[in-house]
Amino acid sequence: NAGVTQTPKFQVLKTGQSMTLQCAQDMNHNSMYWYRQDPGMGLRLIYYSASEGTTDKGEVPNGYNVSRLNKREFSLRLESAAPSQTSVYFCASIRDRVVGETQYFGPGTRLLVL
Amino acid sequence: RKEVEQDPGPFNVPEGATVAFNCTYSNSASQSFFWYRQDCRKEPKLLMSVYSSGNEDGRFTAQLNRASQYISLLIRDSKLSDSATYLCVVTGTASKLTFGTGTRL
Repeated sequence: NAGVTQTPKFQVLKTGQSMTLQCAQDMNHNSMYWYRQDPGMGLRLIYYSASEGTTDKGEVPNGYNVSRLNKREFSLRLESAAPSQTSVYFCASIRDRVVGETQYFGPGTRLLVL
Repeated sequence: RKEVEQDPGPFNVPEGATVAFNCTYSNSASQSFFWYRQDCRKEPKLLMSVYSSGNEDGRFTAQLNRASQYISLLIRDSKLSDSATYLCVVTGTASKLTFGTGTRL
C-alpha cells in the first residue's frame, strides 16, 4: 500500500515548456486535490476532483489544467510554464468528502521554471 | 485578512519545555479543524484532529474555541524530534482544506 505517489520528484523547465505532473493513490479514495506551496503563502488549492469524471477550480487555477484519468489517477498539466509556477506541488486524496475526514498527501514535486 | 492565520515563529524552545501555538480562522461556517505537521522538504502529515471538547494524544493537546474562532496546540515536554512546521488547517464545504502558513518550531 503505497498511499499517494507523485512523479517526477524534481523537474527543471524553461519558460514556455509544458509538462504533466502525475499523481496516483491506491487507497480507493474518491476525491483528489492538487496544491502548490510557496514560501510564506501556505498551501493553496489549484484544482480538485470530487469524484471520477469531475474536476473543479480551486484558489489558483490559472495556467494549469487537470485530468481525472480514473479513480486512482489525477494529473496536473502546465501548458506553457512560467517562472511564477516555480513551486512545490502536492497531490492529496480523501476517502469521502464528509466532516472530519482528512487528506493524505503525496511526497511532492519540486518544479523550477527558468 | 487571511482565512487562517498563524504566528510564523520560529519558536526556539529547550527540550523539555511546553510550547503553545494558536491559530485563528475567519469563516464561522468552518466545519473541521486539524493540525498537520510538515518536516523540512516533506509532505504535510496529519498530527491530530481538533474538537470543541478538546483532545489529547500523548504530549499533544488540541483545543477549539468556536465562539472566538481559534484553535490551539500545546506540546508538553518538547523533544528535538518535534522540530517541524505545524500547520493549522480548516475545512469548509467540499472538504477543501484551507491552510495557515505554518508555525516553525
